[in-house]
Amino acid sequence: DIQMTQSPSTLSASVGDRVTLTCRASQSIDTWLAWYQQKAGKAPKLLIYKASSLQSGVPSRFSGSGSGTEFTLTISSLQPDDFATYYCQQYNSYSGTFGQGTKVEIK
Amino acid sequence: EVQLVQSGAGVKKPGESLKISCEVSGYSSTDYWIGWVRQMPGKGLEWMGIIYPGDSLTRYSPSFEGQVTISADNFISSAYLQWSSLKASDTAVYFCALGVVGSIPYFDYWGQGTLVTVSS
Repeated sequence: DIQMTQSPSTLSASVGDRVTLTCRASQSIDTWLAWYQQKAGKAPKLLIYKASSLQSGVPSRFSGSGSGTEFTLTISSLQPDDFATYYCQQYNSYSGTFGQGTKVEIK
Repeated sequence: EVQLVQSGAGVKKPGESLKISCEVSGYSSTDYWIGWVRQMPGKGLEWMGIIYPGDSLTRYSPSFEGQVTISADNFISSAYLQWSSLKASDTAVYFCALGVVGSIPYFDYWGQGTLVTVSS
């Protein structure tokens, strides 16, 4: 089973900051990686698929990069609506796996 | 508009059985997967398994295989998650989600979640 590890677990930042979240796979997953945003009490929302493709309707301040085992999600200028928990998910292997999440909180 | 509507919250006792549902509407094709994702209280997302309703091909996470059963009824665009004997540790919110691409999809659309509480 492929393990996904996200870092940091919590990130404190201010509105306007550029933030970068990291996701590492235990083995190569090419670019079969998605990123989701989840707010408290709500369903997750797809942001990025295939490591760097922006889902329709998602603001362009979100971007993804990486391949193989190391991936990043970058928010170029953090907005009040972006404070949430972010999860990566690999979809390369027989079963998918989520990372444990990174909570982006207000500094 | 694509919608995944899940069955309502439930409170069950340990040892009881349960089947929760997820109905898909507004998706123009029948070529999709439905996945189930667990979120225990205060915890992260866990990928449980997926089903392709067209032929009922099912894939489970090793962590959940044998613990739950995923099924579907393609004629009514619904998928199900079932337990034969609930445990207190099954208390969680369960999300269904729809994915299209590939043999293991990412999830484009999500249901609202079903809270399952198992308590004596």
